[in-house]
Amino acid sequence: GDSVTQMEGPVTLSEEAFLTINCTYTATGYPSLFWYVQYPGEGLQLLLKATKADDKGSNKGFEATYRKETTSFHLEKGSVQVSDSAVYFCALSDEGNQAGTALIFGKGTTLSVSS
Amino acid sequence: DAGVIQSPRHEVTEMGQEVTLRCKPISGHDYLFWYRQTMMRGLELLIYFNNNVPIDDSGMPEDRFSAKMPNASFSTLKIQPSEPRDSAVYFCASREKGLQQETQYFGPGTRLLVL
Repeated sequence: GDSVTQMEGPVTLSEEAFLTINCTYTATGYPSLFWYVQYPGEGLQLLLKATKADDKGSNKGFEATYRKETTSFHLEKGSVQVSDSAVYFCALSDEGNQAGTALIFGKGTTLSVSS
Repeated sequence: DAGVIQSPRHEVTEMGQEVTLRCKPISGHDYLFWYRQTMMRGLELLIYFNNNVPIDDSGMPEDRFSAKMPNASFSTLKIQPSEPRDSAVYFCASREKGLQQETQYFGPGTRLLVL
């Protein structure tokens, strides 16, 4: 079945460092891909998404490119801030022609940024 | 829009007691999801509804868990009787109908502690 694998955490960085969180997926169709972020004590929020191959999602300085050839959707940010400390979840939706399937989430990667 | 609303935000109860968690989805959203998050298992999908009808409840751990959606603006997740291993954060999420509308919007969660 469909699945998402993301790098184990925690990831610990200094402020202004470059961030990469790896995410790869397995899907039978042509999924949409998502990054969600969870700040301490809060629910998950959509960070960015991409719906087809070579699409780049971006938001708040974060970017991820949908790479069909490597089945990847790695999250990157050029200069992290302390406020980016959170748990990041990669997810996919493989609806095909049938709307309404659930998202499949990775296990989450904890990012801790220090000043 | 107020977003997805969950209540209570925190619940502490004793083993054997009944627990009811409540969720109000975003108005106009046709799908509602219940998730459970723990350190050990990460984010697990418990059940989801489409137009108030349960579509997939394969993630419901045991018969002690039940979920209902009596109308488009309200859902409950009930645990009876509760056990310490049910301690977790329970999230509700909703989304719009239709293909390519896969983005889910999460509530703030209910933090449940069963003593």
